[in-house]
Amino acid sequence: EADIYQTPRYLVIGTGKKITLECSQTMGHDKMYWYQQDPGMELHLIHYSYGVNSTEKGDLSSESTVSRIRTEHFPLTLESARPSHTSQYLCASSGDRVDEQYFGPGTRLTVT
Amino acid sequence: GEDVEQSLFLSVREGDSSVINCTYTDSSSTYLYWYKQEPGAGLQLLTYIFSNMDMKQDQRLTVLLNKKDKHLSLRIADTQTGDSAIYFCAERINSGYALNFGKGTSLLVTP
Repeated sequence: EADIYQTPRYLVIGTGKKITLECSQTMGHDKMYWYQQDPGMELHLIHYSYGVNSTEKGDLSSESTVSRIRTEHFPLTLESARPSHTSQYLCASSGDRVDEQYFGPGTRLTVT
Repeated sequence: GEDVEQSLFLSVREGDSSVINCTYTDSSSTYLYWYKQEPGAGLQLLTYIFSNMDMKQDQRLTVLLNKKDKHLSLRIADTQTGDSAIYFCAERINSGYALNFGKGTSLLVTP
């Protein structure tokens, strides 16, 4: 059973607010990822990290930023939320041998 | 990057078998995965197959891999209403660690 957590599960916030989506895992995985999932179900990789102090942008350009100060923690920040940021955000970490990814439950963000 | 293709919808009757298909175009893929996503939840890893295997069976799930045609399928035997979900196919491309996901197949199981 994977142990990866995301908070909050749901967030409704006004335009211009700064928000941080939390993601933590207790499996000791080095690799972690953030995906944005649009209403059409497709997953888009927006950030990933191979370890502490390592962060890279994914395939989909995003105005969000991430940090990786501790192995277990990979928060995502939006400095100024806009309605176009409304989406489901999924965090994942990956295992060692076959790189299977374990997903958190997601954060459903709505920006009004 | 290369695209992973899946049909968007599949409807089956309870008790029948479901077959979800996936095609990928990157021949350097080393592992291929099937994930399940229930409403309001994250993705759950169902199974994976290494590229040098043809078949893998795990209880009601059977994965078939045809490397020549770059075709992957997931068969669910005795499909139940609890199997209704979105199923994602994903590949690990040898050149990197990030997975390349398909767009998902929405499976509806009717009584």
